[in-house]
Amino acid sequence: SAVISQKPSRDICQRGTSLTIQCQVDSQVTMMFWYRQQPGQSLTLIATANQGSEATYESGFVIDKFPISRPNLTFSTLTVSNMSPEDSSIYLCSVRQGNYGYTFGSGTRLTVV
Amino acid sequence: TQLLEQSPQFLSIQEGENLTVYCNSSSVFSSLQWYRQEPGEGPVLLVTVVTGGEVKKLKRLTFQFGDARKDSSLHITAAQPGDTGLYLCAGAEGAGGTSYGKLTFGQGTILTVHP
Repeated sequence: SAVISQKPSRDICQRGTSLTIQCQVDSQVTMMFWYRQQPGQSLTLIATANQGSEATYESGFVIDKFPISRPNLTFSTLTVSNMSPEDSSIYLCSVRQGNYGYTFGSGTRLTVV
Repeated sequence: TQLLEQSPQFLSIQEGENLTVYCNSSSVFSSLQWYRQEPGEGPVLLVTVVTGGEVKKLKRLTFQFGDARKDSSLHITAAQPGDTGLYLCAGAEGAGGTSYGKLTFGQGTILTVHP
């Protein structure tokens, strides 16, 4: 199965600043997914990133707030822009694992102060 | 929008007890997946069920997919402290049993097994 390296693993940021989260996959994948998770709670899909096209955002998430890059088939970034304390959360990237199931990065724990 | 209702949200039991976690939906999914997540890590896939009525066993864990592919359950026999974690069910959209797109997650079940 694919191995995902996600960084940073955690960060504490000042409100109004931006943070870019990186995910590197050890194999080529068509789609990468970005999720947000409050500690101990479920995952909410932010967007789906395809190489060579704009990301598809879920309801409640917009490109200006969460710009995504997908420059090639093994890498993607998610930026959390103009952060506020409400953005404090865990952010995870994910890729499909075969025909069924998905592999997740270890997550980025973001705290906005 | 497809929704998955997962219950219970919290489960605190003693070592050796049995437990069942449920996921229910009014929508049909092409597959239903179960994940376990530990603090500081991403979710790890335990099993995928695809066929209605399917039952899969993974050591002390038994997973079942409802006949109509709208619900699933996870049963753990003789729980161990090492089973402690966040359990998540996730339904996959797609056709023909192939998960081609996004997942819809249940709310999660935080399981604590006390020695």
